Amino acid sequence: QVQLVESGGGVMQPGRSLRLSCEASGFAFNYNGMHWVRQIPGKGLEWVAVIWYDGSDKYYADSVKGRFTISRDNSKNTLYLQMDSLRVEDTAVYYCARGNCDSNYVMDVWGQGTAVTVSS
Amino acid sequence: EIVLTQSPAILSLSPGERATLSCRASQISTNYLAWYQQRPGQAPRLLIYDASKRATGIPARFSATGSGTDFTLTISSLEPEDFAVYYCQQRANWFALTFGGGTKVE
Repeated sequence: QVQLVESGGGVMQPGRSLRLSCEASGFAFNYNGMHWVRQIPGKGLEWVAVIWYDGSDKYYADSVKGRFTISRDNSKNTLYLQMDSLRVEDTAVYYCARGNCDSNYVMDVWGQGTAVTVSS
Repeated sequence: EIVLTQSPAILSLSPGERATLSCRASQISTNYLAWYQQRPGQAPRLLIYDASKRATGIPARFSATGSGTDFTLTISSLEPEDFAVYYCQQRANWFALTFGGGTKVE
C-alpha cells in the first residue's frame, strides 16, 4: 500500500545539524512533489518545504530558509530534509507528505512523523 | 503572507449533531484550499481540496464550500471517529503555504 516512513529524528544541541529521511513505497515516487510539514507537540501544523517531482524547484518557509535543504533521490524513492544551524524552536514532529499529482499543494498521503528535539 | 483564522477554536457537540467549521483568510485567497483531519496521536489526513472536492475515500457527510476569504467545512452528522482537530490550508503562492490554527471538535 501507499506508505511514507520518516526516520532520522533525535535530540540535538542548538547549532548542530540533522538529516531526516522519508522512504516512499506503493506509488511512483518520481511523479509526485513532496513536502515536509512540522508540528510542535500540542500545537498546529507548519509547512516547511516542498520539492518538485524531479527536484527542479524547491520552496521553503521563511522560518527555515537558508538553514534547511530539501532534496530527493528518485532512484531510492527517498526524500530528505537537511537541517543545519538548528534552533530550539525547530523542536517538533516532522512529517513528510506526498503532493497530489493534479494539485501539488494538496498533501494526500502523510507519514507518521519523526520527532526532533533541539535542546542544550 | 495570507493568514488563515479558524473558528471556533473548540466546538463541543454530540454524535449525530451537525458541525460547521470556519476558515477565514486575511486577504482574498484562491480556491486552492484544503481541509485536513488529525485524530489524537495520528498524522493529518486529507479531507477536502480545491475548497470543495472530497478526497478519495472521504465519506459524504463531509462537505465544504467557500471562496474569496471565507471557507466552511461541514460534517452533517458527527460519528464518534469524527471527534478530532481540523485544519484548513491554503496555497496563495508557492512561497507560502499556510495552515490555520485548527478547530478541535470535542
